[in-house]
Amino acid sequence: DIVMTQAPLSVSVTPGESASISCRSSKSLLSSKGITSLYWYLQRPGKSPQLLIYRMSNLASGVPDRFSGSGSETDFTLKISKVETEDVGVYYCGHRLEYPFTFGSGTKLEIK
Amino acid sequence: EVQLVETGGGLVQPGRSLKLSCVASGFTFSSYWMYWIRQAPGKGLEWVSSINTDGGSTYYPDSVKGRFTISRDNAENTVYLQMNSLRSEDTATYYCAKGMDAWGQGASVTVSS
Repeated sequence: DIVMTQAPLSVSVTPGESASISCRSSKSLLSSKGITSLYWYLQRPGKSPQLLIYRMSNLASGVPDRFSGSGSETDFTLKISKVETEDVGVYYCGHRLEYPFTFGSGTKLEIK
Repeated sequence: EVQLVETGGGLVQPGRSLKLSCVASGFTFSSYWMYWIRQAPGKGLEWVSSINTDGGSTYYPDSVKGRFTISRDNAENTVYLQMNSLRSEDTATYYCAKGMDAWGQGASVTVSS
């Protein structure tokens, strides 16, 4: 199984500042079709997860462009610029390269 | 607007069965793979099952293989998760998802005597 490792476990950010979350996969997520199968989700308190970024760097519909994704074949970063209070929650990375799909353990974002 | 509504959760004894349903609306259901993902209390996300558009192909992780069965009814815009031989470690909120992109609100399953 592909292991997804996130860091840090939690991050505390002042509104208006930026935050970065790291995700590393134990295997390259670059598919034979040239797609990097890495996804970012946000789970706000008491809510279901919502897709933020798909295929490493593509913004999902309705997601503010303060969110951006980047990376290589195994190392990935979610950046949130100008953090707002509504960004509080747990961020998960996950892959869909092969079965079983797996997720990172999550990074909790809090507001200072 | 995409809507996914899960029902069928509840308290069940170990070894018993439960069937979850997820009714979809707001998109062409028959065109999308559907998924179930679960989240144990205070824990992270675990993919549970996948089904292709016509229901002919299904996939499971080892943790539920042989006990859980995913199915769909494209005429009813509904995906199901039949869970047999339930264990305490199956206690979780179960989410259905359209293409892993849009998720329902979840159904809570508690396995306890």
